[in-house]
Amino acid sequence: NAGVTQTPKFQVLKTGQSMTLQCAQDMNHNSMYWYRQDPGMGLRLIYYSASEGTTDKGEVPNGYNVSRLNKREFSLRLESAAPSQTSVYFCASSEVRSFARSGDFGNGTRLTVT
Amino acid sequence: TQLLEQSPQFLSIQEGENLTVYCNSSSVFSSLQWYRQEPGEGPVLLVTVVTGGEVKKLKRLTFQFGDARKDSSLHITAAQPGDTGLYLCAGARTSGTYKYIFGTGTRLKVLA
Repeated sequence: NAGVTQTPKFQVLKTGQSMTLQCAQDMNHNSMYWYRQDPGMGLRLIYYSASEGTTDKGEVPNGYNVSRLNKREFSLRLESAAPSQTSVYFCASSEVRSFARSGDFGNGTRLTVT
Repeated sequence: TQLLEQSPQFLSIQEGENLTVYCNSSSVFSSLQWYRQEPGEGPVLLVTVVTGGEVKKLKRLTFQFGDARKDSSLHITAAQPGDTGLYLCAGARTSGTYKYIFGTGTRLKVLA
């Protein structure tokens, strides 16, 4: 079982460039999430999708857009990258509307914006 | 404003020692989780506690949720090098919410 798969693992962008981070899960989970992790800040929720066709903003949504393509896939797009978006991005999925019963994270995408 | 404060931030101990990590807040949480994260990987869920005063054990790890559901602790008995990692607590403000707030983490290193 692959679990939650994120691509790419590493990416370097120049300020103003755009890119899409891909995430796919094979556990038939309804809910999917995007977090960013910065030193000394823990993980902060960017966007959330309770089910296919729905998305909601988290704590730090500015500068990002998401798309829940189908039940398996949830992508995160940076339209115009900024150095403040340098971070490690994690995608996660869960069976119910919280992590209480299951919470699976991908291995992250390390993004550097110069 | 960081709603969940973890202490200590860093801890380096010898194999066989005991340790306690704390997760504190002035807010009440309906549930709280503990994760362990290793370098280059995503966090892995260790436990969820939902009742004030609840104690859960996972082998040498003991988790406790405070009576007022504002704090939690993780105690490791006879630490081993395999326990090395970043320990994160995460709390949900209301029941069933997807908005889990993560603490800043405790980085533990256990020396052989």
